Amino acid sequence: DAGVIQSPRHEVTEMGQEVTLRCKPISGHDYLFWYRQTMMRGLELLIYFNNNVPIDDSGMPEDRFSAKMPNASFSTLKIQPSEPRDSAVYFCASSFLHRETGELFFGEGSRLTVL
Amino acid sequence: RKEVEQDPGPFNVPEGATVAFNCTYSNSASQSFFWYRQDCRKEPKLLMSVYSSGNEDGRFTAQLNRASQYISLLIRDSKLSDSATYLCVGALYNQGGKLIFGQGTELSVKP
Repeated sequence: DAGVIQSPRHEVTEMGQEVTLRCKPISGHDYLFWYRQTMMRGLELLIYFNNNVPIDDSGMPEDRFSAKMPNASFSTLKIQPSEPRDSAVYFCASSFLHRETGELFFGEGSRLTVL
Repeated sequence: RKEVEQDPGPFNVPEGATVAFNCTYSNSASQSFFWYRQDCRKEPKLLMSVYSSGNEDGRFTAQLNRASQYISLLIRDSKLSDSATYLCVGALYNQGGKLIFGQGTELSVKP
């Protein structure tokens, strides 16, 4: 079975541009998480969904960030306008029984560089 | 204060050494804990769960002390392939199942 699929794997953009990151969770998983990882701050939870509904977006840094999950097989994280401090690796993860197992299945990440 | 805090590392140890990582958590509502492993430039993956009674998986032993709000991971007879970053994770089930990651502790096992 395919794991969590993220795209793009790498993106280099200029400050002010819009960035859209995409995620396809594992089929059958009902939770989807977006995390951001930097050297300074580690792995930070941005937002997560349960059955396509946003449950907690308290980790979203500011209004420039938005996330959607229009259906069970697709989610996007958008940054508009992007800034250099947004440079990070953005991970999407999905799960089915993480409350029991603690297991999130992560994608390979989208490495974003904002110049 | 971060909800989950870890030793910053890096830990540099020779092959065969025993190494211990510590983690503390601040939210007493955290109900479950886990250790994840992250290889360089890769995604995190679940290593093991942590139970109050302690649990062992081969060379790895995890322990939880709820009174002290403290979690540990012990690696015995370390191998070169154990080199990675180890992330302590707390689950906040009173907040819908959020998993909060510590910053991670880097381990480098040398020949």
